[in-house]
Amino acid sequence: GDSVTQMEGPVTLSEEAFLTINCTYTATGYPSLFWYVQYPGEGLQLLLKATKADDKGSNKGFEATYRKETTSFHLEKGSVQVSDSAVYLCALSPSNTGKLIFGQGTTLQVKP
Amino acid sequence: NAGVMQNPRHLVRRRGQEARLRCSPMKGHSHVYWYRQLPEEGLKFMVYLQKENIIDESGMPKERFSAEFPKEGPSILRIQQVVRGDSAAYFCASSPSPGQAGEQYFGPGTRLTVT
Repeated sequence: GDSVTQMEGPVTLSEEAFLTINCTYTATGYPSLFWYVQYPGEGLQLLLKATKADDKGSNKGFEATYRKETTSFHLEKGSVQVSDSAVYLCALSPSNTGKLIFGQGTTLQVKP
Repeated sequence: NAGVMQNPRHLVRRRGQEARLRCSPMKGHSHVYWYRQLPEEGLKFMVYLQKENIIDESGMPKERFSAEFPKEGPSILRIQQVVRGDSAAYFCASSPSPGQAGEQYFGPGTRLTVT
């Protein structure tokens, strides 16, 4: 079945470091891909999305490109801040369904 | 426009009791999804509902769990005869339309603790 695999965390970085969180997926058809962020004690917020191959989603300095050839949707940010500390979840929505399938989540800790 | 609302935020139940979790979608949204986040695990899809209809319940345990989204009022996730393994965070999401490009807006979650 469809699935999402994320790199294990936690990821600990210093402020202003470059961030990459890897995400790969397995799916039939043409899923949409998403990154959500979850701050402590809160629900999920949509960070960015891409709906077809080679699309690049971007928001708040984060970006990810839908790579069909490598079935990947890696999240990147050029310079992280302490306020970016959170759990990041990669997800896909299979073709013609409403549900989201999530990866395990990756905890990011940014130290000043 | 108020976001997705869930209540209660925290719920404590003894083993064998019933738990009722409520979700009010965003205004104008007629699609509701429930997810469960078990400790040390990722978020798992449980059920997808439209007004008065269950569209996909493939992620819902076959026993003790049920969900509804009536014509009026919030969506309800009901867990009968709770067990310790039901302790988790339950998140509700809503969207104005389904489909692969649909974005889901999440509520803050209900944290259920079974003692």
